Amino acid sequence: SYELTQPPSVSVSPGQTASVTCSGDKLGSKYACWYQQKPGQSPVLVIYQNSKRPSGIPERFSGSHSGNTATLTISGTQAMDEADYYCQAWDSSTGDVFGTGTKVTVL
Amino acid sequence: QVQLQESGPGLVKPSQTLSLTCTVSGGSISSGGYYWSWIRQHPGKGLDWIGYIYHSGSTYDSGSTYYSPSLKSRVAISVDTSKNQFSLKLSSVTAADTAVYYCAREVAVAGMLSVEYWGQGTLVTVSS
Repeated sequence: SYELTQPPSVSVSPGQTASVTCSGDKLGSKYACWYQQKPGQSPVLVIYQNSKRPSGIPERFSGSHSGNTATLTISGTQAMDEADYYCQAWDSSTGDVFGTGTKVTVL
Repeated sequence: QVQLQESGPGLVKPSQTLSLTCTVSGGSISSGGYYWSWIRQHPGKGLDWIGYIYHSGSTYDSGSTYYSPSLKSRVAISVDTSKNQFSLKLSSVTAADTAVYYCAREVAVAGMLSVEYWGQGTLVTVSS
């Protein structure tokens, strides 16, 4: 089965930059997207097609892709950005695959 | 604005079939072009894709399904365009199927799917 690995947790100070990575075999040949999930809420798409932001998502959220790693970057992190973040890719043999998830804590 | 709402029993006995329905508003399943998905999240855990159904918009299309390999033998997703709903059936459930179940609409962009809209989720507990 296809797997996407993320760090369990990332800590960041307010106003600083948080980076969340997502690694997977052959991820370099796939597009990745990212979801934000706050406690008790449904996930929200924040990045799709590696680096595009849906309407309404703040510019401080950005995405990049290098080799087999996708990265979500939150610039000027705010307290409201504290949440779980999941990457997702699509594989022809396994369908949608979600990453293991990263808890971003704003200290 | 598309909205999705899950409905169904919150408690299912072991070995029985879990059945959930997702009602779509603000958009029509029969307009075609989207993937209607079920995704679950075990308590305190990450997201697990269950499967989706794609409806082309054709009157005679009952939908094409694609399931997670790990659940394929127990899952069935169907669509009822007359009610603008799609449904999930998961058979032979065990306690390991206890989770929050989300219905969602996915869109294909550049060869990959991403979820545009999520339902609010419904907790299903498997217990006798």
